[in-house]
Amino acid sequence: GENVEQHPSTLSVQEGDSAVIKCTYSDSASNYFPWYKQELGKRPQLIIDIRSNVGEKKDQRIAVTLNKTAKHFSLHITETQPEDSAVYFCAASKSTGFQKLVFGTGTRLLVSP
Amino acid sequence: DSGVTQTPKHLITATGQRVTLRCSPRSGDLSVYWYQQSLDQGLQFLIQYYNGEERAKGNILERFSAQQFPDLHSELNLSSLELGDSALYFCASSATGGSDTEAFFGQGTRLTVV
Repeated sequence: GENVEQHPSTLSVQEGDSAVIKCTYSDSASNYFPWYKQELGKRPQLIIDIRSNVGEKKDQRIAVTLNKTAKHFSLHITETQPEDSAVYFCAASKSTGFQKLVFGTGTRLLVSP
Repeated sequence: DSGVTQTPKHLITATGQRVTLRCSPRSGDLSVYWYQQSLDQGLQFLIQYYNGEERAKGNILERFSAQQFPDLHSELNLSSLELGDSALYFCASSATGGSDTEAFFGQGTRLTVV
């Protein structure tokens, strides 16, 4: 089955710096890659997703890139702010049928003022 | 507010006991997913239901079971509880059963087994 690895497990940056979180997946048939943000004590929320027919997607300060050949995708956050501090999870799935969403182990991002 | 409601928010119980966690999906969503999040761990997929039928299964223990009722709410039953079952259990729902649609998470049920 699908396996998703996520790095780093923790990431500390200064406010205004960029942050990059990387994930690799094992199932070449996976074609949907969402990213979720989980603030302390709260539920995970989707922040951005990308499908395999697209190499990059941006939404303001957040971008996701996908390299299907290498089977990895990354989350890029520019001009980080303290409110970006949270745990970020990547996930992967196949969009055919009823496929489970497999999550990475999460990255704890700390943005210091 | 995601529109997904989970009850109870907190649950403390003893080893060997059985508990039931409840989830009401967003209005109109047919698919319900259950995830387990242990301390400082990721989200482990347990099981998915779509319109009352089991559709996908993860690493769910035999001591755990779930169902989705005709009104689309779902229950996760955990029995013969062990200390290691202590975790945050999330329910999520989506409009269709396919995994490429956004899943909306509830606030979770924090289970503590003592």
